[in-house]
Amino acid sequence: QSALTQPRSVSGSPGQSVTISCTGTSSDVGGYKYVSWYQQLPGKAPKFMIYEVFKRPSGVPDRFSGSKSGNTASLTISGLQAEDEADYYCCSYAGSYTWVFGGGTKLTVL
Amino acid sequence: QVQLVESGGGVVQPGGSLRLSCAASGFIFSIYGMHWVRQAPGKGLEWVAFIRHDGSKHYADSVKGRFTISRDNSKNMLYLQMISLRAEDTAVYYCAKVGSEERDFDFWGQGTLVTVSS
Repeated sequence: QSALTQPRSVSGSPGQSVTISCTGTSSDVGGYKYVSWYQQLPGKAPKFMIYEVFKRPSGVPDRFSGSKSGNTASLTISGLQAEDEADYYCCSYAGSYTWVFGGGTKLTVL
Repeated sequence: QVQLVESGGGVVQPGGSLRLSCAASGFIFSIYGMHWVRQAPGKGLEWVAFIRHDGSKHYADSVKGRFTISRDNSKNMLYLQMISLRAEDTAVYYCAKVGSEERDFDFWGQGTLVTVSS
């Protein structure tokens, strides 16, 4: 399984919106509705942010939204805040109880 | 609340073995699948292994035949037995609980560092 492709970095100013893409194949992102996103602050464990492409777990602000088109999923963060600065990882179910993560995207809030 | 606490990490020589543990609390452990996910220093997340609530086991190709995931529902414990360790296995190892449809990772432990070095 090859890692999903994410941009290495994105940036935005407070209040702006940013979108992080996550590109896979028809065997993972394109083949299932099970794309999830995780936020990782420096030195911390990942935090569950989005599941099943666009659903938000309890407690995750609605500034975070997800979508998918074909083999590419996206995470959009609107109304950027300084506390959003972190690494973000996408993950897709790849069938037969296997999973694949993206390489991670570092979000910088300018 | 859900708590996952990993232990057992350390420094091991190439070719050596190590067993990681994950103590779970705050949920009915026996009815949920559990994962191990690792992160090499400065690198991204890599899925390692998954054990379903029924005990069936699944592995990433990179560890198949060398790592064994197991669970003890009576103790609310998850394990990862690692043998034939290589330098590229050096990473922080996280245990994670599956979400409601068993296709994501809704709670994570803080991780335990495994360093494979001579």
